[in-house]
Amino acid sequence: AQSVTQLGSHVSVSEGALVLLRCNYSSSVPPYLFWYVQYPNQGLQLLLKYTTGATLVKGINGFEAEFKKSETSFHLTKPSAHMSDAAEYFCAVSNRDDKIIFGKGTRLHILP
Amino acid sequence: NAGVMQNPRHLVRRRGQEARLRCSPMKGHSHVYWYRQLPEEGLKFMVYLQKENIIDESGMPKERFSAEFPKEGPSILRIQQVVRGDSAAYFCASSPFSKGQETQYFGPGTRLLVL
Repeated sequence: AQSVTQLGSHVSVSEGALVLLRCNYSSSVPPYLFWYVQYPNQGLQLLLKYTTGATLVKGINGFEAEFKKSETSFHLTKPSAHMSDAAEYFCAVSNRDDKIIFGKGTRLHILP
Repeated sequence: NAGVMQNPRHLVRRRGQEARLRCSPMKGHSHVYWYRQLPEEGLKFMVYLQKENIIDESGMPKERFSAEFPKEGPSILRIQQVVRGDSAAYFCASSPFSKGQETQYFGPGTRLLVL
């Protein structure tokens, strides 16, 4: 069975500082990994995804994530936080049977 | 190209009433997924449908909940005899193919409040 663990339900960073949101997964087969962002009262929007190939994946809005098989991790980073990055971020895993399993989410707060 | 549409955006029901949530997938998408989001929780998979077929309903509660995706028209998630615990945000997503790596595109959600 697959699962996703996001460390920290709330993360605060100062504007301009590095953003690091942690995600660890469990999967019995090579996983497909996703990060989604949810702004208040909106649906989820895909930030980036890893399927195969290059383990460093670049997404929208300056975010990127690195698939590390040995650590079963897919942490999301952004070099410099912007106020508009304040939102909730969800890590997700799936395999070939189509079901996507979501983590509980991390709410990112940006401090001025 | 319009995105995934859900209506209503907000729905208030009293205990015992029925709730009907509608989802129109993106044009060209024939795969629809329903998720429920409770406060401070992630999204929980409920059901996966293709046109006229339920493919996976392993996340659906055994009673009171049903879903359909008819040949014509939107997908419907129906909750009968709602209870306060049904209060949540319900999201629909669609994809063009059924592969696990395929991106799912989410609608804005329907926020159900049961009084």
